[in-house]
Amino acid sequence: DAKTTQPPSMDCAEGRAANLPCNHSTISGNEYVYWYRQIHSQGPQYIIHGLKNNETNEMASLIITEDRKSSTLILPHATLRDTAVYYCIAPAEGTYKYIFGTGTRLKVLA
Amino acid sequence: NAGVMQNPRHLVRRRGQEARLRCSPMKGHSHVYWYRQLPEEGLKFMVYLQKENIIDESGMPKERFSAEFPKEGPSILRIQQVVRGDSAAYFCASSPPTGMGTEAFFGQGTRLTVV
Repeated sequence: DAKTTQPPSMDCAEGRAANLPCNHSTISGNEYVYWYRQIHSQGPQYIIHGLKNNETNEMASLIITEDRKSSTLILPHATLRDTAVYYCIAPAEGTYKYIFGTGTRLKVLA
Repeated sequence: NAGVMQNPRHLVRRRGQEARLRCSPMKGHSHVYWYRQLPEEGLKFMVYLQKENIIDESGMPKERFSAEFPKEGPSILRIQQVVRGDSAAYFCASSPPTGMGTEAFFGQGTRLTVV
């Protein structure tokens, strides 16, 4: 697994875009980047994943740098319900043995 | 398509008893992963199973813990002779057979309290 580094906490105003960065400088060529979030003590919720190209779905966008050493998760219009701990994970190729770091605790402010 | 189902959601055991946690993967998923989350901590990988096989148990404590995923039925995480330190949330995740670029989905967890 590639080691990932995220800021411990961030605040975002409701309705604004939340940009959550992640460094994964040791990622190998075929390792995907996954993002999950955990709201309170619920099970982690899948958000998005990508390999090389930027990705977008109904929840978020994922921007991966060309050298793949870092990525940014973008929540375009954050709501109070997006308050959660966000995890960036880069599991070893072909496995879902996720190594969860400490993540980023995002607080959306009214 | 139902999500990953875990039961029970809450389990209370006295010290020395056995705890059995069940996980039914999503339909079509043949890979199951178990994670443990201690209070105020992150999730820690425990074990990875495919049907009838343990693939990676590097995160399992050496004693009292075991896991299985039989050909039929849910995956079971079994903790024998529970101690207070086993109190935690236990999450399972499932994924499809092909591992490249697909996501794993998590259940809502079982909260084990040892009294």
